[in-house]
Amino acid sequence: DAGVIQSPRHEVTEMGQEVTLRCKPISGHNSLFWYRQTMMRGLELLIYFNNNVPIDDSGMPEDRFSAKMPNASFSTLKIQPSEPRDSAVYFCASSQGTARGYGYTFGSGTRLTVV
Amino acid sequence: ILNVEQSPQSLHVQEGDSTNFTCSFPSSNFYALHWYRWETAKSPEALFVMTLNGDEKKKGRISATLNTKEGYSYLYIKGSQPEDSATYLCAFHSGGGADGLTFGKGTHLIIQP
Repeated sequence: DAGVIQSPRHEVTEMGQEVTLRCKPISGHNSLFWYRQTMMRGLELLIYFNNNVPIDDSGMPEDRFSAKMPNASFSTLKIQPSEPRDSAVYFCASSQGTARGYGYTFGSGTRLTVV
Repeated sequence: ILNVEQSPQSLHVQEGDSTNFTCSFPSSNFYALHWYRWETAKSPEALFVMTLNGDEKKKGRISATLNTKEGYSYLYIKGSQPEDSATYLCAFHSGGGADGLTFGKGTHLIIQP
């Protein structure tokens, strides 16, 4: 298995533009998580899906952020409009479930810079 | 907001020495405690998932213990090697199907040859 695949690896965009980050989880994993990594706050959970259904989006910073999981093999995180304070590394992770004993497999992350 | 604290924030250890560091987490509504190893320019990799009070897990020279009643876990590295240099993250899981993991900010370990 190729692991969790995120694209793009790096994204530089201008303030106000729309940004879409993509994630392909490991086949057979039914839980998918989006995290944001910053120096100040560390790894913060933004949203997670179980069987393609959003379960908890309380970590999404504001309405500019949205996430979808149209099928078991694809998820997107969209920021519209983007702002400089959104600059961070965004990680996607998947697991076999939220039950005990299942670790997460992380993607390589997308480093987003908003100028 | 769940509070997951790791200490120390960073640690310099001489090659060959053993070391340990701490993760503290809420002692109520415990479901699982995860440890991850995060090397620079890579993504976090799962080391252990611990679910029972008194659990002790081992992988090579790295081991971890868990005390859910007092809300702490220790990670031990025996005979540190330069390749052990990484940030070690712990993460608290408060309920199956209800929450994702809440991560600590990590202990940044540097092994000096």
